[in-house]
Amino acid sequence: EAGVTQSPTHLIKTRGQQATLRCSPISGHTSVYWYQQALGLGLQFLLWYDEGEERNRGNFPPRFSGRQFPNYSSELNVNALELEDSALYLCASSAPGSGNTIYFGEGSWLTVV
Amino acid sequence: QKEVEQNSGPLSVPEGAIASLNCTYSDRGSQSFFWYRQYSGKSPELIMFIYSNGDKEDGRFTAQLNKASQYVSLLIRDSQPSDSATYLCAVSARLSHGGATNKLIFGTGTLLAVQP
Repeated sequence: EAGVTQSPTHLIKTRGQQATLRCSPISGHTSVYWYQQALGLGLQFLLWYDEGEERNRGNFPPRFSGRQFPNYSSELNVNALELEDSALYLCASSAPGSGNTIYFGEGSWLTVV
Repeated sequence: QKEVEQNSGPLSVPEGAIASLNCTYSDRGSQSFFWYRQYSGKSPELIMFIYSNGDKEDGRFTAQLNKASQYVSLLIRDSQPSDSATYLCAVSARLSHGGATNKLIFGTGTLLAVQP
């Protein structure tokens, strides 16, 4: 069974540009989560989507946004990129009724120059 | 006070020894507790979860939970060099009105180094 898949693996953007990251959950999983892990820092919760709806949002500015599609895949958009947005962006998914037992993808490395 | 606290380490143990990793959390109402392993440059991998007070064993790993003390730990028996990684403790968050949420709050991790 395929795990959580994310694309692209690496992305280099210039300050002020927009970045779009994509995530496909494990088959049968309906919830998708986005976390940011900046170098040397812990995982910071960004967003939680379930059944196409945003359920919870972390302490990030509105230029971080996303959506979940009918097939439960998701994308994260970061507008007006800043240097400090450089980080590993991790997507995770969970199955219905499994609560918060989440499984991570390999992540997307975003570098802002 | 941080919501989830871990000693950053490094925790160095000899091969074959027991490694003990500790985590404390601030929200007494948290219900679910998780341990993830993260190798350098890789994504976190779920090792164990525990919901009830006491011990839960899975192979060489044992998770221990004490809700009264707001403390969760992970024991790794017969430590191997391949266990060398950062171990992340994660705790379920609650909404401001006390409702459940699937959001997890992570500690910053403890770096474990198993010496051959």
